[in-house]
Amino acid sequence: GAGVSQTPSNKVTEKGKYVELRCDPISGHTALYWYRQSLGQGPEFLIYFQGTGAADDSGLPNDRFFAVRPEGSVSTLKIQRTERGDSAVYLCASSLEGGISGNTIYFGEGSWLTVV
Amino acid sequence: GDSVTQMEGPVTLSEEAFLTINCTYTATGYPSLFWYVQYPGEGLQLLLKATKADDKGSNKGFEATYRKETTSFHLEKGSVQVSDSAVYFCALMNWAAGNKLTFGGGTRVLVKP
Repeated sequence: GAGVSQTPSNKVTEKGKYVELRCDPISGHTALYWYRQSLGQGPEFLIYFQGTGAADDSGLPNDRFFAVRPEGSVSTLKIQRTERGDSAVYLCASSLEGGISGNTIYFGEGSWLTVV
Repeated sequence: GDSVTQMEGPVTLSEEAFLTINCTYTATGYPSLFWYVQYPGEGLQLLLKATKADDKGSNKGFEATYRKETTSFHLEKGSVQVSDSAVYFCALMNWAAGNKLTFGGGTRVLVKP
């Protein structure tokens, strides 16, 4: 597709359930990022992939959060035992390559997660 | 660690008014600086960027100059339109600290006709 695609756009789940959020980056982009944006705040970094490997996962808040990118394209953010505090918009972004200042990072429209 | 501080909104203006959104940052080294915009119902879009001191980024009538001496990257537009109503985010990427954007809290701008 032309841009970063995220599914689902909205997800309501019960506390304690497992959730998967999917990101399809722009074709050819090797760098992929996940951010979390709480209401009224700026996005916060979660994890960065270069190719298939997680180059930086320092933003993942705890071990309930995990992300994979097995073939270097689509990525899935997985949240176990969801809590109400996990409610936020989860943003995915991609860029042509990481680590190069001239590359623009493109964001998807986000997946809005509500834990009830 | 790195951080970005921007003025809180909402900022309410009349059409054709002058807009300034202040942004200051704290970072080691020489970060790249960005302004992203989020229009209602849409995703984050890059508005402009500057990669070194004294660079000026510009796009759609918006401008921001990378001021290392004041660690600032204020966003300006001389004459706003209703279509500029959005949330604006200042951000930095510190290449020495990894490939991640650090965002400010966002400033909501509402332009009235």
